[in-house]
Amino acid sequence: QQQVKQSPQSLIVQKGGISIINCAYENTAFDYFPWYQQFPGKGPALLIAIRPDVSEKKEGRFTISFNKSAKQFSLHIMDSQPGDSATYFCAATRPNAGNNRKLIWGLGTSLAVNP
Amino acid sequence: EPEVTQTPSHQVTQMGQEVILRCVPISNHLYFYWYRQILGQKVEFLVSFYNNEISEKSEIFDDQFSVERPDGSNFTLKIRSTKLEDSAMYFCASSRTFLQAYEQYFGPGTRLTVT
Repeated sequence: QQQVKQSPQSLIVQKGGISIINCAYENTAFDYFPWYQQFPGKGPALLIAIRPDVSEKKEGRFTISFNKSAKQFSLHIMDSQPGDSATYFCAATRPNAGNNRKLIWGLGTSLAVNP
Repeated sequence: EPEVTQTPSHQVTQMGQEVILRCVPISNHLYFYWYRQILGQKVEFLVSFYNNEISEKSEIFDDQFSVERPDGSNFTLKIRSTKLEDSAMYFCASSRTFLQAYEQYFGPGTRLTVT
């Protein structure tokens, strides 16, 4: 119930194309779903996040679509650029008894955008 | 822009030795975390820390692990007797407040190699 399942494991997209990464979860107690971007040799960086009471959130070329009934959410990268080549992680979180949070991570998707 | 820093970037140690991984969280953040990522696998939560106490820990965080905030700036992870399976990238993260605990800012990581 604590798992977040992410697919695909790797993705190759042409420059200008749309990159789509999907995630699914089981635990309905999760109340926040962030996406992290990680470049080689760097730590993960928060990219965009959504709460389950919203079906879509857009920030620039990045959009999260959220389907609460299906317990699925996805990241869309419009007009993908070579600079977007990185590993993308979806995550989910809920508050714990100590009013803190931990991130439950998907396995990651390695995105390569060809020029 | 403030960032989380971690030292060392790479630590090589022999099995059974103690290691201390150091982190300097963002200065006005109150919540601190350690995660680890074994090569090719998902990021895993280890421990969260607030108000000089552990808020939550995972099953990975056994008696061999400890965390400490020895002063107002550093946050450390100690592994008392390292095992081969402790080899991983260790990430420190921090977040500002409880309401923003879902926005976690990560350091660049320390690669721990146990031989």
